[in-house]
Amino acid sequence: QSVLTQPPSVSAAPGQKVTISCSGSSSNIGNNYVSWYQQLPGTAPKLLIYENNKRPSGIPDRFSGSKSGTSATLGITGLQTGDEADYYCGTWDSSLSAAGVVFGGGTKLTVL
Amino acid sequence: QVQLQQWGAGLLKPSETLSLTCAVYGGSFSGYYWSWIRQPPGKGLEWIGEINHSGSTNYNPSLKSRVTISVDTSKNQFSLKLSSVTAADTAVYYCARGLTGIAAAGTWCWFDPWGQGTLVTVSS
Repeated sequence: QSVLTQPPSVSAAPGQKVTISCSGSSSNIGNNYVSWYQQLPGTAPKLLIYENNKRPSGIPDRFSGSKSGTSATLGITGLQTGDEADYYCGTWDSSLSAAGVVFGGGTKLTVL
Repeated sequence: QVQLQQWGAGLLKPSETLSLTCAVYGGSFSGYYWSWIRQPPGKGLEWIGEINHSGSTNYNPSLKSRVTISVDTSKNQFSLKLSSVTAADTAVYYCARGLTGIAAAGTWCWFDPWGQGTLVTVSS
């Protein structure tokens, strides 16, 4: 069971917008920065968002990130069939007994 | 453009030691944390640990007793050893460049780029 909670799946039609949530606690999301990754089928994860809402070079502005309290959200607008993938959130967990990087369980995006 | 290429044994028997190496091409080796992350079949990501160019390490507490990450700066390579493997260690293992720091609003960390992944199967 993952430390961060994501919905197992989301779906939307091409051209529409979708959001993926990532819920944590004060020891992780609440007091640290969140990153997001896209994993296309059969490939390694790729960085989409870092420091809650920043996009690496080459990532289109259709992808956005936000954070509020102990939750973070990935938004994708103008959905394309090529966006079908698994999406993961990640952050640092500052727990005294278990400090380290933690990830969500992943969300499968289906573009109908 | 930084590229990571990894290799290692893909089939192990229970109780053996997993050994993987990751080479870094095209960028600076210092100033980053070099990480290992794994993904069991059909499941999510699990951070294993990291090392910097000076050899300073951080490990996932749940794996710490079995994990050793080392670095060879002369070759721009870092390696993972996981001892006493069981079927539960069957996963795709990825190496990745990690960027980590501490700011007023908390710790930031992200991974970019990633290696191609190595499927390690533990079976008798």
